Amino acid sequence: EVQLVQSGAEVKEPGESLKISCKGSGYRFTSNWIGWVRQMPGKGLEWMGIIYPGDSDTRYSPSFQGQVTISADRSISTAYLQWSSLKASDTAMYYCARLPSGNYYDYWGQGTLVTVSS
Amino acid sequence: NFMLTQPHSVSESPGKTVTISCTRSSGSIASNYVQWYQQRPGSAPTTVIYEDNQRPSGVPDRFSGSIDNSSNSASLTISGLKTEDEADYYCQSYDSRNRVFGGGTKLTVL
Repeated sequence: EVQLVQSGAEVKEPGESLKISCKGSGYRFTSNWIGWVRQMPGKGLEWMGIIYPGDSDTRYSPSFQGQVTISADRSISTAYLQWSSLKASDTAMYYCARLPSGNYYDYWGQGTLVTVSS
Repeated sequence: NFMLTQPHSVSESPGKTVTISCTRSSGSIASNYVQWYQQRPGSAPTTVIYEDNQRPSGVPDRFSGSIDNSSNSASLTISGLKTEDEADYYCQSYDSRNRVFGGGTKLTVL
């Protein structure tokens, strides 16, 4: 059974750094893209970027390029989404999801709620 | 970059059929597959249609997808509506550089 299990909710202050994770199981982690999707409170889904853990090829949405870093550790089947300096506007639910061809999502994680507030 | 436009909300009664549209702003709707995701309140999205009209295992055949070249749009049709179908539905497609979501449609079953 394919599963994507994300790390728990985070509460941070503006300016702090953060790295959240997404662990895949039940499939070959290195042969499928993993993507991150943002959902701000009461809003829709936004594509942030994707990574192919097999060779670490990473693509970013223009809206998120330079704002976040996506990475993966093949040895533990885990993908990451990282911020170096959080802003209040980063408050959102973040989902990871698998993309078998790199173009659309089939399995989704349960989501990680990130709250940034002073 | 293209956009996908969905109606903000639709409503229908249990047992009826509803169709949600998704119109591509530029480029052909047929050039890249369209997917549909269901998001129930407080839950993560799940995939209900992929590659225009394919259902993942476990998704009932009450859900169907199609594309219409003449209107450059995709549609999600749900027949025999149940109260459990009440959710937000998002279409999604892509091009060589981007993966694009529609703005979402809130389906109310009343």
